[in-house]
Amino acid sequence: RKEVEQDPGPFNVPEGATVAFNCTYSNSASQSFFWYRQDCRKEPKLLMSVYSSGNEDGRFTAQLNRASQYISLLIRDSKLSDSATYLCVVNENNDMRFGAGTRLTVKP
Amino acid sequence: NAGVTQTPKFQVLKTGQSMTLQCAQDMNHEYMSWYRQDPGMGLRLIHYSVGAGITDQGEVPNGYNVSRSTTEDFPLRLLSAAPSQTSVYFCASIELSSLEAFFGQGTRLTVV
Repeated sequence: RKEVEQDPGPFNVPEGATVAFNCTYSNSASQSFFWYRQDCRKEPKLLMSVYSSGNEDGRFTAQLNRASQYISLLIRDSKLSDSATYLCVVNENNDMRFGAGTRLTVKP
Repeated sequence: NAGVTQTPKFQVLKTGQSMTLQCAQDMNHEYMSWYRQDPGMGLRLIHYSVGAGITDQGEVPNGYNVSRSTTEDFPLRLLSAAPSQTSVYFCASIELSSLEAFFGQGTRLTVV
């Protein structure tokens, strides 16, 4: 079983749609959680950290469920520019484990 | 402030050749790491360093060496390239207070 698992997608949604991604992790001792965004043929970049109480950044909402060991990312009012691969990242003692990513395409 | 600079962007090697991927950061981060990214597998840690003079193995270290003589530089050496090392390689440095990772632009390596 992979340490960090994501649905690879692809998710194809129209502009303005709401889309949600989930990610599960196997190590219950994991301490920190993140979502990164990776554009095609580019390096990953931090989208947002995920806090225990859940957090929001504009159209993006991240949530953590420690009991079930999953994190989620919700994107509201999708834009064409949201098209990318979203990587779930779990950190334990500075050992960062990456999911394989979920690919999102937002269409006009 | 350039962040993380990684070279080259593209490289084709013949089986058995060696090469060094360069990585430099100007953010004074202690923690640096090398990943490879393969389709469907996410980024996998090759080697990492928690400071100058200190390196350690990650998840997939075989066939690779690293050194960390300065805080800024963290080169990755392929000793004898194999087709299984065809991949996209990313160098990263991590800001330890936020745990945000900053990545280089990546190296697309093909071993024929």
